[in-house]
Amino acid sequence: DVKVTQSSRYLVKRTGEKVFLECVQDMDHENMFWYRQDPGLGLRLIYFSYDVKMKEKGDIPEGYSVSREKKERFSLILESASTNQTSMYLCASSSTGGGNYGYTFGSGTRLTVV
Amino acid sequence: GESVGLHLPTLSVQEGDNSIINCAYSNSASDYFIWYKQESGKGPQFIIDIRSNMDKRQGQRVTVLLNKTVKHLSLQIAATQPGDSAVYFCAESGTASKLTFGTGTRLQVTL
Repeated sequence: DVKVTQSSRYLVKRTGEKVFLECVQDMDHENMFWYRQDPGLGLRLIYFSYDVKMKEKGDIPEGYSVSREKKERFSLILESASTNQTSMYLCASSSTGGGNYGYTFGSGTRLTVV
Repeated sequence: GESVGLHLPTLSVQEGDNSIINCAYSNSASDYFIWYKQESGKGPQFIIDIRSNMDKRQGQRVTVLLNKTVKHLSLQIAATQPGDSAVYFCAESGTASKLTFGTGTRLQVTL
């Protein structure tokens, strides 16, 4: 069963900590995405990547960075966690080929910054 | 900017009835649309998709209708079951393989 795996379901971190959220996909997808999901705001794109070592800013990149050293892994980094980064974080991947680029999502990481 | 929206934030239906969830989109250049289902505590799951050269597509108990004239997308669920209770998102293709998502409609199935 193909999947996108996020390393943690729940995380609690302190303000100012550096936080790493890991995402791995086993579908050989070219594209990977990080979203945050907040009530009433829907899914907001933080960063995405179309290839290894490539990254593009999404709609809300401030306070975040990403790393894609291998095709299957896309990491989201909170450089200095703040309480307004408390949210559900969703990773997704998709294929470029075929013209149908529906995303496959991970189960999400609920991050609480205290 | 371009956006995807939903008419009803919450929809309550009785078990066994049909459900219709609506979505308006604004990017007339979008050529691919998807419906996702998100259950509590889980990531969104793909339900069904449709390309802009079609106006209807059917899956198992689900049908997606696309009206390009009025830029409207709908998801129909036949014989709604308690397991259908979830938040449903529509998404449209944007630029360079990125999808734009609506804010979601919560479907509540009552017994």
